[in-house]
Order: sequence, then C-alpha cells, then structure tokens
Amino acid sequence: KAGVTQTPRYLIKTRGQQVTLSCSPISGHRSVSWYQQTPGQGLQFLFEYFSETQRNKGNFPGRFSGRQFSNSRSEMNVSTLELGDSALYLCASRPGGGQSTDTQYFGPGTRLTVL
Amino acid sequence: AQSVTQPDIHITVSEGASLELRCNYSYGATPYLFWYVQSPGQGLQLLLKYFSGDTLVQGIKGFEAEFKRSQSSFNLRKPSVHWSDAAEYFCAVGPYNQGGKLIFGQGTELSVKP
Repeated sequence: KAGVTQTPRYLIKTRGQQVTLSCSPISGHRSVSWYQQTPGQGLQFLFEYFSETQRNKGNFPGRFSGRQFSNSRSEMNVSTLELGDSALYLCASRPGGGQSTDTQYFGPGTRLTVL
Repeated sequence: AQSVTQPDIHITVSEGASLELRCNYSYGATPYLFWYVQSPGQGLQLLLKYFSGDTLVQGIKGFEAEFKRSQSSFNLRKPSVHWSDAAEYFCAVGPYNQGGKLIFGQGTELSVKP
C-alpha cells in the first residue's frame, strides 16, 4: 500500500499570499489530520477531517482552513500568509474516525517558507 | 490543561549503550500515550502506543516504554542503541473523546556516537 503523500514537498510564498497544500491518505483511510511543526512551537494540531466533516480543530486563526473530499483526500489552505506561518506541515491518516487508538500514519510533510 | 513534557532537548549516547528518553504528561484521566520518531526530512513514524493493560509495551525497532501512573510518566527505552537510531523522538498524548488529535512534547533529539 502506498503511504500518505503530500504535495508539494516544498513551497516558497511571500507575505500576504495564500497557499493550498494537498494530502492523499492511505487507501481506505477515512480520517485525515493536519499538524504544523516549527522549531519554536513544536508540533501543533490544526484540524481533523472524517467523512468530509471537520471533527476537531486546534487553536489556530481562521486564516487556516481545510476540507476533505469524498475520496478522503484533504487540502488545507492558509490565507494572508505571515512570516510566522513558515513551517513543516504534516498530514496524517488513519482508518476510522473514533478515538485516537488507531495508528496514525504521517506523510513526509510540505515545507512552507514565507518571505 | 493537557500537556506533554520531554525534559531532555538533546541526548548523546554511544552506540551499543542503553537509552532512556523521558516523557511526563499532564492529563486528568487515563491517557492514550504514543512515542513517534522523526528522521531528518521525514514524517513521523509510530514506535509504540499505550491505551490500557500491561504497563510495559513493546514497539518496533527494539523499543519499549513503561507507563507509570503514579509518576505521570511514559519513558522510552532501548537496551542497545544503533547508529541508525539517531533521530528526533516525540512523546504524545491522545486526549479522550477528541478523535485523532495528538498533543506532542517538544521532542528529544538523539545523537549516537560511534
């Protein structure tokens, strides 16, 4: 089975622009979560989607949004980029949508640099 | 508030030596606990997880961890470290009834001396 794939792997944007990142989960997985990883704040949960519905959301401003499609692929969008949005964005998938007892499988991440 | 603390930012051990990475959590109920490893340029890989039952859990790559409720700890151990174990290690808590959300510690970077 192919693992979690994220595109693009690297991205450079300027302040004020918007960006869309994509995540394709492992085949058969219906739940996708997104995390932001920075040296200062570490790994922080952004949101989780299951069956096209946002199930949980972290403490991020409204500029961060996401969605999930019927094939479980997910996208996250960041509008009006700020320098502090520079980070590695990781996506993780798991089979179900219940309690976090499932193993989550992480993708390699998208490295976003905001200039 | 739920939180995870990894007191050691960076640890260096000699190849073949034993390893213990510390993790303390703050959570009101029995937590779901995880250890992940991240190699440079890679995503996170699950080493092991604990939900209930036997407090000593075995994972992949020869790692094990012990849950100690009285100390709110979930320390990761390996009896003999290999050079390929050099990576960053993250302890995480899965809060009850919050789906797949994970709260991560700040990570411990492991270096292995030949």
